[in-house]
Amino acid sequence: KQEVTQIPAALSVPEGENLVLNCSFTDSAIYNLQWFRQDPGKGLTSLLLIQSSQREQTSGRLNASLDKSSGRSTLYIAASQPGDSATYLCAVRTGRRALTFGSGTRLQVQP
Amino acid sequence: EPEVTQTPSHQVTQMGQEVILRCVPISNHLYFYWYRQILGQKVEFLVSFYNNEISEKSEIFDDQFSVERPDGSNFTLKIRSTKLEDSAMYFCASSSGLAGVIQETQYFGPGTRLLVL
Repeated sequence: KQEVTQIPAALSVPEGENLVLNCSFTDSAIYNLQWFRQDPGKGLTSLLLIQSSQREQTSGRLNASLDKSSGRSTLYIAASQPGDSATYLCAVRTGRRALTFGSGTRLQVQP
Repeated sequence: EPEVTQTPSHQVTQMGQEVILRCVPISNHLYFYWYRQILGQKVEFLVSFYNNEISEKSEIFDDQFSVERPDGSNFTLKIRSTKLEDSAMYFCASSSGLAGVIQETQYFGPGTRLLVL
């Protein structure tokens, strides 16, 4: 059974810092990995999707990497801003279409 | 930009009552999903739906749950006899079904917070 773990559980950084969020998964036979952002009491906003054959994806200040063989992904956020404060979730698709989620990293960017 | 919508945003019900959560997926999407998130826990997959039938379901999705596409735009989740442990945020999602499984993004709605008393 696929298990997804995210480290750290919480992170507080000053504005402007570059930071890395980590995601690991136990079954490397994935189709893709998605990073989401969740604001308090709100839905999930898709940030990036990396296909199993890809090594990284970039969108603006966000860069996600994938090392499928070792079961790891990282989300790099450059020049963090207070508006980046949210919970970041990673999710992998192993089976048909269901996503398996990690528990998230709660990010606070201090102005 | 097209988005998934859900109603109601909040629902309070008594244990044993039936509830129906409603979703309008993104137009022209073919796959629909329900996930739930119990407070403080991970988001969990419940069910996926394609071509008017369930294509995949989790162990959580037992006989008290059902899904339906009653018309061309709505997608519903029914809980027949709610239990205290059904209290959670329920998310609807949709995907196009055209991009192929390895590159397809799922788009989530804002959720319905269900509280069972």
